[in-house]
Amino acid sequence: DTGVSQDPRHKITKRGQNVTFRCDPISEHNRLYWYRQTLGQGPEFLTYFQNEAQLEKSRLLSDRFSAERPKGSFSTLEIQRTEQGDSAMYLCASSRGTFREAFFGQGTRLTVV
Amino acid sequence: SQELEQSPQSLIVQEGKNLTINCTSSKTLYGLYWYKQKYGEGLIFLMMLQKGGEEKSHEKITAKLDEKKQQSSLHITASQPSHAGIYLCGADIANSKLTFGKGITLSVRP
Repeated sequence: DTGVSQDPRHKITKRGQNVTFRCDPISEHNRLYWYRQTLGQGPEFLTYFQNEAQLEKSRLLSDRFSAERPKGSFSTLEIQRTEQGDSAMYLCASSRGTFREAFFGQGTRLTVV
Repeated sequence: SQELEQSPQSLIVQEGKNLTINCTSSKTLYGLYWYKQKYGEGLIFLMMLQKGGEEKSHEKITAKLDEKKQQSSLHITASQPSHAGIYLCGADIANSKLTFGKGITLSVRP
């Protein structure tokens, strides 16, 4: 399967714990995006990478959030000291570049209890 | 304020009926994307429009881009229960990230 893959699909964690999500983009896609989506809302942009370079971060991305894309391949999104407000669906997408179709993974649903 | 406004917020139609939903941008559009989402799942790419006046179709779904109005419409002909879901428009605004509207929830009654 050559689609965007996200792992895990679901994560339940206790408040204060750290969590890490992984995204494997479609091969040869140089752009990788992270979004957060809550119930009834559209995806909210968090950050994106052009190859291994992180080009933009949203104000939503507090210092508890960090994203990496080593070697321009897979990406990880880490949330430190999770809060209940972090509960959401975290979506990853990849594309060949600007103004090109972006394809999404199935998302990671995070529940902070 | 929302850069992409979608209307209506939700829609319920009888199976077999046609419907149109809209997406309007408050800023210059560089590209307009339509996605469909089932609850709790990822987004499925439907189509992308780049040029004013461009129109694309996929099965019974047609999307158009009106560059002057900074608006796109998505039309479904002879709706089926399989068309039910959340329709999201996304756009390349400010020449960088892909920004989304809140989505339109479509229900199709058999």
